[in-house]
Amino acid sequence: AQKITQTQPGMFVQEKEAVTLDCTYDTSDPSYGLFWYKQPSSGEMIFLIYQGSYDQQNATEGRYSLNFQKARKSANLVISASQLGDSAMYFCAMRGGVSGGYNKLIFGAGTRLAVHP
Amino acid sequence: DVKVTQSSRYLVKRTGEKVFLECVQDMDHENMFWYRQDPGLGLRLIYFSYDVKMKEKGDIPEGYSVSREKKERFSLILESASTNQTSMYLCASSFFVPRGGGNTEAFFGQGTRLTVV
Repeated sequence: AQKITQTQPGMFVQEKEAVTLDCTYDTSDPSYGLFWYKQPSSGEMIFLIYQGSYDQQNATEGRYSLNFQKARKSANLVISASQLGDSAMYFCAMRGGVSGGYNKLIFGAGTRLAVHP
Repeated sequence: DVKVTQSSRYLVKRTGEKVFLECVQDMDHENMFWYRQDPGLGLRLIYFSYDVKMKEKGDIPEGYSVSREKKERFSLILESASTNQTSMYLCASSFFVPRGGGNTEAFFGQGTRLTVV
């Protein structure tokens, strides 16, 4: 069965520093996709970054990068040069599995990030 | 502008009532999802659908059912509401991607906070 694990319930970082949010996943299917979403206190879900299981390079989107280690089944999010507006809940998600034509999308428990000035 | 719209932001229902949560998307997405979000547990998948009249159980389907009669609309039904179904409910949609496909970010509605008393 598919599973996403985020072991850090809360993290804090100083403004302008980098921070890594951990995510490990479990699946027996070689084809899957990994996502990170941000949920500010307003409640909306904001897509940040995507990594496909067959992608050779780590995904990057502006200050966000995904440290994809396939053998370890980890997909950590790295936020560089943290800003106060980065304070939010962050969710790791995985698409895959035989159900629904490989389109089942599951999420982890999330990590709450606090950026301190 | 892409949109996923949930029929209510806040809902208060009595134990034993039948409750309908409605979700409509205007992006012609094949996939639609229902999650519940609880502190410390993240987003847990209740049901999803990858086509009209198709549905797949998620990780916590007990006490819920769904209906998808039209592509743009996905309804979550609580057959007999109970207090342990008090939660935030999030609907999402995305394009269908075949196995090995690429980024199909999911778009989320604003959420429905359901309280069962």
